[in-house]
Amino acid sequence: DIQMTQSPISLSASVGDRVTITCRASENITNFLNWYQQKSGTTPKLLIYAASILHGGVPSRFSGRGSGRDFSLSISGLRPEDFATYYCQQSHTTVYTFGQGTRLEIK
Amino acid sequence: QVQLQQWGAGLLKPSETLSLTCAVNGGSFSGYYWSWIRQPPGKGLEWIGEINHGGSTNYKSSLEGRVTMSADKSRNRFSLKLTSVTAADTAVYFCVRLGASSGDYFYAFDIWGQGTTVIVSS
Repeated sequence: DIQMTQSPISLSASVGDRVTITCRASENITNFLNWYQQKSGTTPKLLIYAASILHGGVPSRFSGRGSGRDFSLSISGLRPEDFATYYCQQSHTTVYTFGQGTRLEIK
Repeated sequence: QVQLQQWGAGLLKPSETLSLTCAVNGGSFSGYYWSWIRQPPGKGLEWIGEINHGGSTNYKSSLEGRVTMSADKSRNRFSLKLTSVTAADTAVYFCVRLGASSGDYFYAFDIWGQGTTVIVSS
């Protein structure tokens, strides 16, 4: 199975900051990479698919980039509602795997 | 707007069988793969397996032998059975749609059920 490794595991930031979360795949997944946001006690929500395409309704302060093995999710101008846990997930193979998650906390 | 509504027993004893069902409301059942994903307390997301309307399945290899998924296209429902549960199967279980981009090239989990908490305890 393809392993997905996120860093950092946790991150503290302030409202208005720009933050970047990285995700590395154990093998080349081209751009079959998705990002999800999960707020405490709620269902995960799809943010970005195909590494860089925003899902419908996702604010433009979210952006994704990368290809091959290395990917990143950036959030510019952090808003209070952005503090959550973020997961990457590969869909290159039909044994779908997730990163371990990055918890974004308010500083 | 497509919504997933899931239900099933929330408290099991070790060695029992977990059984969950998910109804697809307000949208097409055919043409998609439908997955189950679980999340142990305080941990990350684990994909369990998927099924399409025709009953074609794909399971995580480490759960193969214990997991069975079925689909009832006449009722727009799909189900998960996981046998011989242990405490390690304690988790929130989500039913999820695998959506596709135009051209069916990129796939992502775009619609999620509300989650069902399953606790395995003697």
